[in-house]
Amino acid sequence: GAGVSQSPSNKVTEKGKDVELRCDPISGHTALYWYRQSLGQGLEFLIYFQGNSAPDKSGLPSDRFSAERTGGSVSTLTIQRTQQEDSAVYLCASSLSTGGPQHFGDGTRLSIL
Amino acid sequence: KQEVTQIPAALSVPEGENLVLNCSFTDSAIYNLQWFRQDPGKGLTSLLLIQSSQREQTSGRLNASLDKSSGRSTLYIAASQPGDSATYLCAVRGGGATNKLIFGTGTLLAVQP
Repeated sequence: GAGVSQSPSNKVTEKGKDVELRCDPISGHTALYWYRQSLGQGLEFLIYFQGNSAPDKSGLPSDRFSAERTGGSVSTLTIQRTQQEDSAVYLCASSLSTGGPQHFGDGTRLSIL
Repeated sequence: KQEVTQIPAALSVPEGENLVLNCSFTDSAIYNLQWFRQDPGKGLTSLLLIQSSQREQTSGRLNASLDKSSGRSTLYIAASQPGDSATYLCAVRGGGATNKLIFGTGTLLAVQP
């Protein structure tokens, strides 16, 4: 399809394990964003990539969270030593350019047991 | 710190009614405002984006207005249909170098057939 693709759609893991979430943005979109949607906090910004510029990591909640974007396309969000409060839906979005409309994937629902 | 609020939190209307969803934000220095809909278990679908210099945008039965000075936006849905049932979210992008979206709390809309 032509939309933002995220995998896996669901992930259940035990507390303390590491997880990797993947995002394939729309082809040609230079900007990529990660957000987290949880019951208590609503939708929160995590990290933003634009081209070859240094990412804006200001929304990452702790140093257990990291993300990378290889080749200016696919991005992975890694959570190390997962905690129960990490349980949420992780959404990825991309836009053709900075300031343009952001298009979202269906998200990865992460459950930490 | 930018805060975005949506009223009402939930709304139920009979099919065919026109309705208005409200969004307010505390810092008027925004770059743009975007309205989304979210269906259960899905990501966000972009509906309309209004640049800070614009007053309104229209797409089909949807019309979004922006009054930046008063920190308000409305989403007008004409002749509502059961398929319009979803959660509607507004999000603002801050001015300057900030590219992240700050989301409102959402309005859960139910259109009764």
